[in-house]
Amino acid sequence: VHLVESGGGVVQPGRSLRISCEGSGFTFSNYGLHWVRQAPGKGLEWLALIWADGTSTFYLESLKGRFAISRDDYKNTLYLQMNNLRAEDTAVYYCATRSGGCPEDWGQGTLVTVAS
Amino acid sequence: QSALTQPASVSASPGQSITIPCSGSSDDVGGYSHVSWYQQYPGRAPKLIIYEVYKRPSGASTRFSGSKSGSTASLTISGLQAEDEADYYCCSFAGRSTSVSLYVFGTGTKVTVL
Repeated sequence: VHLVESGGGVVQPGRSLRISCEGSGFTFSNYGLHWVRQAPGKGLEWLALIWADGTSTFYLESLKGRFAISRDDYKNTLYLQMNNLRAEDTAVYYCATRSGGCPEDWGQGTLVTVAS
Repeated sequence: QSALTQPASVSASPGQSITIPCSGSSDDVGGYSHVSWYQQYPGRAPKLIIYEVYKRPSGASTRFSGSKSGSTASLTISGLQAEDEADYYCCSFAGRSTSVSLYVFGTGTKVTVL
């Protein structure tokens, strides 16, 4: 299992950003996928989950309406659309596979910095 | 659901054993068997070392073991080695789709090998 996040960078408060996670070495469409973030010097925070068949999505309550998880199994890619970004969204964002519960295999992460 | 509670730090000498508790509630740790543990080195992604309370993924050291009693899960590291110095996080399924968060992580524990 190999997951590679991309799309991070510096973005101004209030702007949007879409980050991606490309998977390889496994049958991407068979797996549910998580997004998890870690603010600098802080702990892990679960953000969102999409089922393997893409029919259901789940979010951290406080992010509903601002973040959206999606997947394109033809491209073996997971996405996280982040809107109206705030300084407190600054973090390393990780994607991870879900086999039965909590995240299993993780990518290396992509850093998103929200600053003016 | 708020974060699961872990001690901020634990330290011990090489060869000793340590246990890291992960305290939750009946809404998370106490209610489900989906409890995992992760090891994270500075600047690196977390790595799964225990899943479903006590199961070890392929490649994880046998010195790691997990257990659960009531609403508290525990990670035990036996025969502590210098390479075990890292941060450790627990994770639990936290309920139905109407929950604040479907999954919740622990606050994290920094393990220091003296």
